[in-house]
Amino acid sequence: DAGITQSPRHKVTETGTPVTLRCHQTENHRYMYWYRQDPGHGLRLIHYSYGVKDTDKGEVSDGYSVSRSKTEDFLLTLESATSSQTSVYFCAIGIAGLAVADTQYFGPGTRLTVL
Amino acid sequence: DQQVKQNSPSLSVQEGRISILNCDYTNSMFDYFLWYKKYPAEGPTFLISISSIKDKNEDGRFTVFLNKSAKHLSLHIVPSQPGDSAVYFCAPCDRGSTLGRLYFGRGTQLTVWP
Repeated sequence: DAGITQSPRHKVTETGTPVTLRCHQTENHRYMYWYRQDPGHGLRLIHYSYGVKDTDKGEVSDGYSVSRSKTEDFLLTLESATSSQTSVYFCAIGIAGLAVADTQYFGPGTRLTVL
Repeated sequence: DQQVKQNSPSLSVQEGRISILNCDYTNSMFDYFLWYKKYPAEGPTFLISISSIKDKNEDGRFTVFLNKSAKHLSLHIVPSQPGDSAVYFCAPCDRGSTLGRLYFGRGTQLTVWP
């Protein structure tokens, strides 16, 4: 158990509304990631963080922003939700091995539905 | 452009037999390869990994083989058990580049029947 929680676990929202998903870790790891999982696509990286206030874009970052003001929390925001953002969102932490964060451990996921 | 391919979306195996899940990649910079298992409504769980300096890594019933020249890896599960039924993702990374980013394949649904 890597001590990762995600909230909310389920959310239904309407197109155009802002949505914030929270990822919380208890073990003070430096690296954190947000992924989305869609049928036929595996997991795709949205944004990642390598420290407080240090974030960068992944492969599917359009329409998303992130913030990390504390080591333990990594927030994912959909500024104006669209139906294409209906997905399951996973947060992960990276555990450093020989270099950087080579093994990631995932939270339980948030199922988001945008109507 | 898909850098990681798991060409079998599903695999069905009888309990006690061997399950072999395959993964192909195109990026020669990948130097660390992970497998994750995912049950419905749960997050992916780290299963086993292998470094590019090895060609085999074993952990109990799970063995991962790496063929760098063919850019191919496989996960063997012996013997397969019904509790192994899940989606398996191959996820390589290039540890020398962007902060341990993983590149996920689309997954293979393994079903182990009694």
